[in-house]
Amino acid sequence: DVKVTQSSRYLVKRTGEKVFLECVQDMDHENMFWYRQDPGLGLRLIYFSYDVKMKEKGDIPEGYSVSREKKERFSLILESASTNQTSMYLCASSLGGAGGVYEQYFGPGTRLTVT
Amino acid sequence: KQEVTQIPAALSVPEGENLVLNCSFTDSAIYNLQWFRQDPGKGLTSLLLIQSSQREQTSGRLNASLDKSSGRSTLYIAASQPGDSATYLCAAVGVGNEKLTFGTGTRLTIIP
Repeated sequence: DVKVTQSSRYLVKRTGEKVFLECVQDMDHENMFWYRQDPGLGLRLIYFSYDVKMKEKGDIPEGYSVSREKKERFSLILESASTNQTSMYLCASSLGGAGGVYEQYFGPGTRLTVT
Repeated sequence: KQEVTQIPAALSVPEGENLVLNCSFTDSAIYNLQWFRQDPGKGLTSLLLIQSSQREQTSGRLNASLDKSSGRSTLYIAASQPGDSATYLCAAVGVGNEKLTFGTGTRLTIIP
């Protein structure tokens, strides 16, 4: 069974803190993605990775960085958390390859509140 | 730039009725279109994926159709049940990238 897990369901951090969100998939997928979801704005892609140590910026990368040292794990890093980064963060993974024909599988999400 | 729209934003339907959810996209150069379900405070569950070469896909009481030329997809739910209450999202993958562009969803409520 397909499984994408995220390290925390709920997280509360203070402004200026460095925040790590972890995502692990057990499907040997090449591609992994980080999204944020906000009311009225839908899901927006922050970063994605198509291989270990490879990453590409999505639509809203400012204020974020990512790390992918192992195939199964993709981390999202908020270097200095700000209140406008309060959001639901969703990780996803998919098989790789040209054409983007593969289904994306999502984790349960992490609701981050920055105070 | 691809834009995906879902109208209406919310829909209430009595239990047992058949219903259709709509999704439109501006750029017809897509590889596939995916429908998801999201329960409150939870992640997304993939329902159906339609390749660009396909016209429709079926899974149980769900049927998704795709018309690339008109930039539209529909999700048909037969014999609705209270457990179908959720937000339904569609997302398109554009040619040349593997990124999903999401609509903002339709919040569906099935009234017992």
